[in-house]
Amino acid sequence: GAVVSQHPSWVICKSGTSVKIECRSLDFQATTMFWYRQFPKQSLMLMATSNEGSKATYEQGVEKDKFLINHASLTLSTLTVTSAHPEDSSFYICSVQPDRGLGQPQHFGDGTRLSIL
Amino acid sequence: QKEVEQDPGPLSVPEGAIVSLNCTYSNSAFQYFMWYRQYSRKGPELLMYTYSSGNKEDGRFTAQVDKSSKYISLFIRDSQPSDSATYLCAMRRAAGNKLTFGGGTRVLVKP
Repeated sequence: GAVVSQHPSWVICKSGTSVKIECRSLDFQATTMFWYRQFPKQSLMLMATSNEGSKATYEQGVEKDKFLINHASLTLSTLTVTSAHPEDSSFYICSVQPDRGLGQPQHFGDGTRLSIL
Repeated sequence: QKEVEQDPGPLSVPEGAIVSLNCTYSNSAFQYFMWYRQYSRKGPELLMYTYSSGNKEDGRFTAQVDKSSKYISLFIRDSQPSDSATYLCAMRRAAGNKLTFGGGTRVLVKP
């Protein structure tokens, strides 16, 4: 079964709206989670690393005030796209790094398709 | 030049054939190697995970890592139409947890 739950799976909203996406680790605790963005027929692009109890680390070129990340607990991270515009339309995917020891692989959620009208 | 190179395909094979996928990389610091399968409009699903060089088998899947050549492979035996998907290789250093992905190979298994 799924080890990472991501909601919602699909969002359509008007320009200017803020949208929150949740990522939950179902099977293990995760101090570290990741948020990716994927454009059609392209690979995943890391946006930020979410750290429980501290600020997220954003990749170069990603606006931290635009993409707010909150890692509220060891099983939940949220990504809020603030004042979304059509250019923010994309497929957003979270992943979880289990706190089970060194070298654990990342497990991914099923993604959120965001469409801004 | 990208750190991880992967042929985008599409790779079309008949049902029952062996699917052979590979990635090359340039950073010798990579120690952990993963293969993910991604269906359309879904998140990547972990298929295989290996550390350093060697082979690993799990059911119909075999992963190989050759660190001396900076080359990793994934073989899928007895391929099924349900194996039609995009396959992503990913790798990371021993320290840190960021993944570096290949561009993905689209695979079509025809019945």
